Amino acid sequence: DTGVSQNPRHKITKRGQNVTFRCDPISEHNRLYWYRQTLGQGPEFLTYFQNEAQLEKSRLLSDRFSAERPKGSFSTLEIQRTEQGDSAMYLCASSPPKGGATYEQYFGPGTRLTVT
Amino acid sequence: AQKITQTQPGMFVQEKEAVTLDCTYDTSDPSYGLFWYKQPSSGEMIFLIYQGSYDQQNATEGRYSLNFQKARKSANLVISASQLGDSAMYFCAMRETETSGSRLTFGEGTQLTVNP
Repeated sequence: DTGVSQNPRHKITKRGQNVTFRCDPISEHNRLYWYRQTLGQGPEFLTYFQNEAQLEKSRLLSDRFSAERPKGSFSTLEIQRTEQGDSAMYLCASSPPKGGATYEQYFGPGTRLTVT
Repeated sequence: AQKITQTQPGMFVQEKEAVTLDCTYDTSDPSYGLFWYKQPSSGEMIFLIYQGSYDQQNATEGRYSLNFQKARKSANLVISASQLGDSAMYFCAMRETETSGSRLTFGEGTQLTVNP
C-alpha cells in the first residue's frame, strides 16, 4: 500500500517533554498538510507545504510547534515543551500537483498524542 | 461565524435505506470546493465526494451523491442503500480558493449509525 503513512501511531509523553512526528506522503504528491483533531471535533488546519516550502501556517501553530519538509518528501512536526492541551490526533495529508480539479487530500492514519 | 455547520451530531438509519447528512457553509469566495470525508472508528479520513462551486451538476460517486444548493449554501450528502459498514463519523469540509488557499475547513461532524 502506498498511502500516506505516519509514525508513531501513538505517543504518550509527560508535560514539558518534546515530541516529533513523521509523515511520509504519497510519493508523487508535492503538497503536504498537517491538521490537529481533538475528541469530538473536526480536524483543524495547522500548516501546508508545497515541495519543501512552508506556504501557510495557522494561528494555531504556536512558537512551540515547528514543521519541516527539508527535501520535499517526508515531513516532521515537532512540539516543544508539550502541554496537556496538546493532546490530540495529529493528521497528515497529501495531494498531487496542480492539475486535478479537486485538490483532494489523502489522509494518513494519524498520530495520537497523549500528554500526561 | 462558523464556516461549516453540521447540525446533526448523530443520525440513525436502517440498513438498505437512504440517509441525508446536512451541511451548510459560509463564504464570500466565488471559487470554492466542498468535500465529504468518512472517519471510521479506526481514525483514518476517507475521501468520499467533491463538489466545485462552479459545477453545474450535483456530484455522484457510487452510493454517494451531493445535493448542492448554491443559493442556500448547502451541500448535503445523500447515502443510498445504507450498509452496516457506513457507520462512522462524517465530515463536511470546504476549500476557499482565494481566501484560504489549499487548507480545508471542517465541520464538527455527524455520527451515523446504521442499524440492521
